[in-house]
Amino acid sequence: DGGITQSPKYLFRKEGQNVTLSCEQNLNHDAMYWYRQDPGQGLRLIYYSQIVNDFQKGDIAEGYSVSREKKESFPLTVTSAQKNPTAFYLCATKDLGQLINEQFFGPGTRLTVL
Amino acid sequence: GQQLNQSPQSMFIQEGEDVSMNCTSSSIFNTWLWYKQDPGEGPVLLIALYKAGELTSNGRLTAQFGITRKDSFLNISASIPSDVGIYFCAGQRGSNYKLTFGKGTLLTVNP
Repeated sequence: DGGITQSPKYLFRKEGQNVTLSCEQNLNHDAMYWYRQDPGQGLRLIYYSQIVNDFQKGDIAEGYSVSREKKESFPLTVTSAQKNPTAFYLCATKDLGQLINEQFFGPGTRLTVL
Repeated sequence: GQQLNQSPQSMFIQEGEDVSMNCTSSSIFNTWLWYKQDPGEGPVLLIALYKAGELTSNGRLTAQFGITRKDSFLNISASIPSDVGIYFCAGQRGSNYKLTFGKGTLLTVNP
């Protein structure tokens, strides 16, 4: 079954704790992205990676960290330095080998920090 | 980061009505994408546009890439209750692999 998996669907953490959100894909796509969505807002880019062992900051990278050790995986860590971490987090992928610009999204993880 | 100006922010319509929404920018884009997001889910791609002036349909949905390359619109004809959701436009500039998103249009369809 091909696609993008984000787990868990809902995540609760206490303030001050780091938390890692999972994103796995079996589409063989080169690029992976992390977005944050707040109510009534568009999607804001946190980090993205076009190749294994390389990633770039997006527009709101402060308080977040990522790694890209495998092509299939792009985990996002929300650190205690992130001032307002409660949000809906979306992972996306893109096939850089195709002459298309579409990104495909996972089902999302809703993080609530208590 | 730059965001696209998407309007309207929300729409409340009766089943069977047609819907129109648009995105504008002060910058030129070489790709326009339209996504739909159901509550609590990830966005799903509806239509992709790659050429200025291009008009593309997907069932009851029609989208156009503006001639100036600074805008795009999405029309939904004969709306049905399952059209409910948030519709996002997204644009890509140059060879940059990043997308810029609008803030979304929340569509409510009354049966």
